[in-house]
Amino acid sequence: ELKVEQNPLFLSMQEGKNYTIYCNYSTTSDRLYWYRQDPGKSLESLFVLLSNGAVKQEGRLMASLDTKARLSTLHITAAVHDLSATYFCAVDKLTSGSRLTFGEGTQLTVNP
Amino acid sequence: DGGITQSPKYLFRKEGQNVTLSCEQNLNHDAMYWYRQDPGQGLRLIYYSQIVNDFQKGDIAEGYSVSREKKESFPLTVTSAQKNPTAFYLCASSSQPDGAYEQYFGPGTRLTVT
Repeated sequence: ELKVEQNPLFLSMQEGKNYTIYCNYSTTSDRLYWYRQDPGKSLESLFVLLSNGAVKQEGRLMASLDTKARLSTLHITAAVHDLSATYFCAVDKLTSGSRLTFGEGTQLTVNP
Repeated sequence: DGGITQSPKYLFRKEGQNVTLSCEQNLNHDAMYWYRQDPGQGLRLIYYSQIVNDFQKGDIAEGYSVSREKKESFPLTVTSAQKNPTAFYLCASSSQPDGAYEQYFGPGTRLTVT
Protein backbone atom coordinates (compact mmCIF):
# COMPACT_ATOMS: atom_id res chain seq x y z
CA GLU A 1 0.00 0.00 0.00
CA LEU A 2 1.37 3.37 -0.99
CA LYS A 3 1.69 5.81 1.90
CA VAL A 4 2.64 9.46 1.71
CA GLU A 5 3.87 11.43 4.70
CA GLN A 6 4.47 15.15 4.90
CA ASN A 7 6.28 17.07 7.55
CA PRO A 8 5.81 19.32 9.19
CA LEU A 9 2.01 19.28 9.26
CA PHE A 10 1.91 22.83 10.62
CA LEU A 11 4.44 25.52 9.87
CA SER A 12 4.43 29.08 11.12
CA MET A 13 7.16 31.29 9.76
CA GLN A 14 8.07 34.93 9.47
CA GLU A 15 8.13 36.84 6.23
CA GLY A 16 11.53 36.81 4.61
CA LYS A 17 12.59 33.46 6.05
CA ASN A 18 13.36 30.24 4.19
CA TYR A 19 11.95 26.82 4.95
CA THR A 20 11.48 23.36 3.47
CA ILE A 21 8.49 21.01 3.48
CA TYR A 22 9.27 17.32 3.14
CA CYS A 23 7.26 14.60 1.42
CA ASN A 24 8.21 10.94 1.90
CA TYR A 25 6.48 8.06 0.17
CA SER A 26 6.62 4.37 0.89
CA THR A 27 6.94 2.58 -2.45
CA THR A 28 8.35 3.25 -5.87
CA SER A 29 6.39 5.95 -7.60
CA ASP A 30 6.42 7.28 -11.12
CA ARG A 31 5.20 10.82 -10.64
CA LEU A 32 4.99 13.34 -7.82
CA TYR A 33 2.77 16.39 -7.63
CA TRP A 34 2.55 19.45 -5.41
CA TYR A 35 -0.73 21.28 -4.91
CA ARG A 36 -1.78 24.38 -3.03
CA GLN A 37 -5.14 24.80 -1.28
CA ASP A 38 -6.47 28.06 0.14
CA PRO A 39 -9.05 27.82 2.95
CA GLY A 40 -12.42 26.63 1.66
CA LYS A 41 -11.12 26.43 -1.90
CA SER A 42 -10.13 23.74 -4.36
CA LEU A 43 -6.64 22.53 -5.20
CA GLU A 44 -4.30 24.42 -7.50
CA SER A 45 -1.53 22.53 -9.26
CA LEU A 46 1.97 23.83 -8.51
CA PHE A 47 4.48 21.30 -9.82
CA VAL A 48 4.67 17.96 -11.59
CA LEU A 49 7.92 16.02 -11.07
CA LEU A 50 8.45 13.09 -13.38
CA SER A 51 11.99 11.84 -12.91
CA ASN A 52 14.79 11.45 -10.41
CA GLY A 53 16.63 14.71 -9.87
CA ALA A 54 13.82 16.82 -11.31
CA VAL A 55 13.78 20.37 -10.02
CA LYS A 56 11.14 22.97 -10.81
CA GLN A 57 10.84 26.55 -9.64
CA GLU A 58 8.05 29.07 -9.72
CA GLY A 59 8.57 32.36 -7.93
CA ARG A 60 9.55 31.72 -4.30
CA LEU A 61 8.76 28.00 -4.48
CA MET A 62 11.11 25.28 -5.66
CA ALA A 63 10.30 21.56 -5.74
CA SER A 64 12.70 18.66 -6.16
CA LEU A 65 12.45 14.89 -6.39
CA ASP A 66 14.82 12.14 -5.26
CA THR A 67 13.24 8.84 -6.30
CA LYS A 68 15.99 6.76 -4.70
CA ALA A 69 15.31 8.28 -1.31
CA ARG A 70 11.56 8.41 -2.07
CA LEU A 71 11.62 12.04 -1.04
CA SER A 72 10.39 15.30 -2.49
CA THR A 73 10.99 18.73 -1.02
CA LEU A 74 9.17 22.02 -1.45
CA HIS A 75 11.50 24.88 -0.59
CA ILE A 76 10.18 28.31 0.24
CA THR A 77 12.52 31.25 -0.25
CA ALA A 78 11.96 34.61 1.46
CA ALA A 79 8.39 33.81 2.41
CA VAL A 80 5.62 36.35 1.95
CA HIS A 81 2.13 36.41 3.48
CA ASP A 82 0.51 35.42 0.17
CA LEU A 83 2.13 32.01 0.43
CA SER A 84 -0.04 31.16 3.46
CA ALA A 85 -2.03 28.07 2.44
CA THR A 86 -2.05 24.30 2.80
CA TYR A 87 0.38 22.44 0.57
CA PHE A 88 -0.18 18.84 -0.47
CA CYS A 89 2.10 16.39 -2.16
CA ALA A 90 0.65 13.43 -4.04
CA VAL A 91 2.17 10.44 -5.80
CA ASP A 92 0.98 7.89 -8.30
CA LYS A 93 2.19 4.91 -10.26
CA LEU A 94 2.06 4.27 -13.99
CA THR A 95 0.28 1.00 -13.39
CA SER A 96 -2.58 2.75 -11.62
CA GLY A 97 -3.34 5.15 -14.44
CA SER A 98 -2.92 8.27 -12.34
CA ARG A 99 -4.52 7.13 -9.12
CA LEU A 100 -3.17 9.71 -6.68
CA THR A 101 -2.34 9.12 -3.04
CA PHE A 102 -2.15 12.37 -1.07
CA GLY A 103 -0.19 13.37 1.96
CA GLU A 104 -2.00 14.97 4.91
CA GLY A 105 -0.96 18.43 3.89
CA THR A 106 1.25 21.10 5.45
CA GLN A 107 -0.60 24.14 6.74
CA LEU A 108 1.72 27.11 6.22
CA THR A 109 1.18 30.44 7.94
CA VAL A 110 3.49 33.31 7.05
CA ASN A 111 3.44 36.08 9.63
CA PRO A 112 4.40 39.71 8.93
CA ASP B 1 -13.25 28.93 -20.96
CA GLY B 2 -12.13 25.36 -20.41
CA GLY B 3 -12.51 23.92 -16.97
CA ILE B 4 -14.30 21.73 -14.48
CA THR B 5 -17.59 22.71 -12.91
CA GLN B 6 -19.21 21.21 -9.87
CA SER B 7 -22.67 21.91 -8.62
CA PRO B 8 -24.05 22.83 -6.26
CA LYS B 9 -21.39 24.61 -4.23
CA TYR B 10 -23.21 23.89 -0.96
CA LEU B 11 -25.66 21.06 -0.38
CA PHE B 12 -27.72 20.25 2.70
CA ARG B 13 -29.57 16.96 3.13
CA LYS B 14 -31.35 14.99 5.79
CA GLU B 15 -29.92 11.70 6.93
CA GLY B 16 -31.27 8.76 4.95
CA GLN B 17 -31.59 10.63 1.65
CA ASN B 18 -29.52 9.91 -1.43
CA VAL B 19 -27.92 12.93 -3.06
CA THR B 20 -26.17 13.36 -6.41
CA LEU B 21 -23.24 15.72 -6.96
CA SER B 22 -22.59 16.99 -10.46
CA CYS B 23 -19.20 17.19 -12.18
CA GLU B 24 -18.75 18.41 -15.76
CA GLN B 25 -15.57 19.11 -17.70
CA ASN B 26 -14.97 20.64 -21.13
CA LEU B 27 -11.25 19.93 -21.23
CA ASN B 28 -11.70 16.81 -23.38
CA HIS B 29 -9.99 14.76 -20.67
CA ASP B 30 -10.46 11.01 -20.69
CA ALA B 31 -10.02 10.39 -16.97
CA MET B 32 -12.17 11.74 -14.14
CA TYR B 33 -11.98 11.32 -10.37
CA TRP B 34 -13.92 11.91 -7.19
CA TYR B 35 -12.19 12.71 -3.91
CA ARG B 36 -13.43 13.35 -0.42
CA GLN B 37 -11.73 15.77 1.98
CA ASP B 38 -12.46 15.93 5.70
CA PRO B 39 -11.40 18.93 7.80
CA GLY B 40 -7.65 19.13 8.30
CA GLN B 41 -6.98 16.07 6.18
CA GLY B 42 -5.75 15.16 2.75
CA LEU B 43 -7.85 13.90 -0.13
CA ARG B 44 -9.06 10.33 -0.38
CA LEU B 45 -10.07 8.73 -3.66
CA ILE B 46 -13.68 7.54 -3.92
CA TYR B 47 -14.05 6.45 -7.56
CA TYR B 48 -12.27 7.08 -10.83
CA SER B 49 -12.97 6.54 -14.50
CA GLN B 50 -10.38 6.33 -17.23
CA ILE B 51 -12.83 5.97 -20.09
CA VAL B 52 -16.53 6.32 -20.82
CA ASN B 53 -18.72 3.49 -19.50
CA ASP B 54 -15.99 2.23 -17.20
CA PHE B 55 -15.04 3.14 -13.63
CA GLN B 56 -13.12 1.69 -10.69
CA LYS B 57 -13.44 1.87 -6.94
CA GLY B 58 -10.96 3.98 -5.06
CA ASP B 59 -9.95 3.67 -1.44
CA ILE B 60 -13.29 4.63 0.15
CA ALA B 61 -16.02 3.61 -2.34
CA GLU B 62 -18.47 2.14 0.18
CA GLY B 63 -21.72 4.11 0.29
CA TYR B 64 -21.05 5.88 -3.01
CA SER B 65 -21.95 5.20 -6.64
CA VAL B 66 -20.97 6.79 -9.96
CA SER B 67 -21.76 6.63 -13.65
CA ARG B 68 -19.81 7.67 -16.74
CA GLU B 69 -22.20 7.76 -19.67
CA LYS B 70 -20.57 10.77 -21.32
CA LYS B 71 -16.96 11.85 -21.51
CA GLU B 72 -17.79 15.25 -20.07
CA SER B 73 -19.78 14.10 -17.04
CA PHE B 74 -19.04 12.02 -13.95
CA PRO B 75 -21.81 12.38 -11.33
CA LEU B 76 -21.37 11.02 -7.81
CA THR B 77 -24.28 9.72 -5.73
CA VAL B 78 -23.88 9.68 -1.97
CA THR B 79 -26.24 7.00 -0.76
CA SER B 80 -27.89 6.56 2.62
CA ALA B 81 -25.43 3.72 3.22
CA GLN B 82 -22.55 6.18 3.58
CA LYS B 83 -22.20 6.45 7.35
CA ASN B 84 -20.54 9.83 7.57
CA PRO B 85 -21.26 11.75 4.36
CA THR B 86 -20.61 15.30 5.57
CA ALA B 87 -17.43 16.42 3.79
CA PHE B 88 -15.95 18.50 0.98
CA TYR B 89 -16.15 16.65 -2.34
CA LEU B 90 -13.75 17.41 -5.14
CA CYS B 91 -13.94 16.26 -8.73
CA ALA B 92 -10.87 16.17 -10.97
CA SER B 93 -9.94 15.26 -14.51
CA SER B 94 -6.69 14.48 -16.26
CA SER B 95 -5.13 13.94 -19.62
CA GLN B 96 -1.76 12.52 -20.47
CA PRO B 97 0.43 15.12 -22.15
CA ASP B 98 4.00 13.80 -22.01
CA GLY B 99 2.98 11.21 -19.46
CA ALA B 100 2.34 13.78 -16.77
CA TYR B 101 -1.25 12.77 -15.95
CA GLU B 102 -1.67 16.06 -14.16
CA GLN B 103 -5.04 16.29 -12.43
CA TYR B 104 -7.10 19.48 -12.54
CA PHE B 105 -9.65 20.05 -9.82
CA GLY B 106 -13.11 21.55 -9.80
CA PRO B 107 -14.24 24.10 -7.17
CA GLY B 108 -15.80 21.45 -4.94
CA THR B 109 -19.16 20.75 -3.30
CA ARG B 110 -19.53 21.05 0.43
CA LEU B 111 -22.11 18.50 1.61
CA THR B 112 -23.73 18.69 5.02
CA VAL B 113 -25.99 15.89 6.19
CA THR B 114 -27.98 16.31 9.39
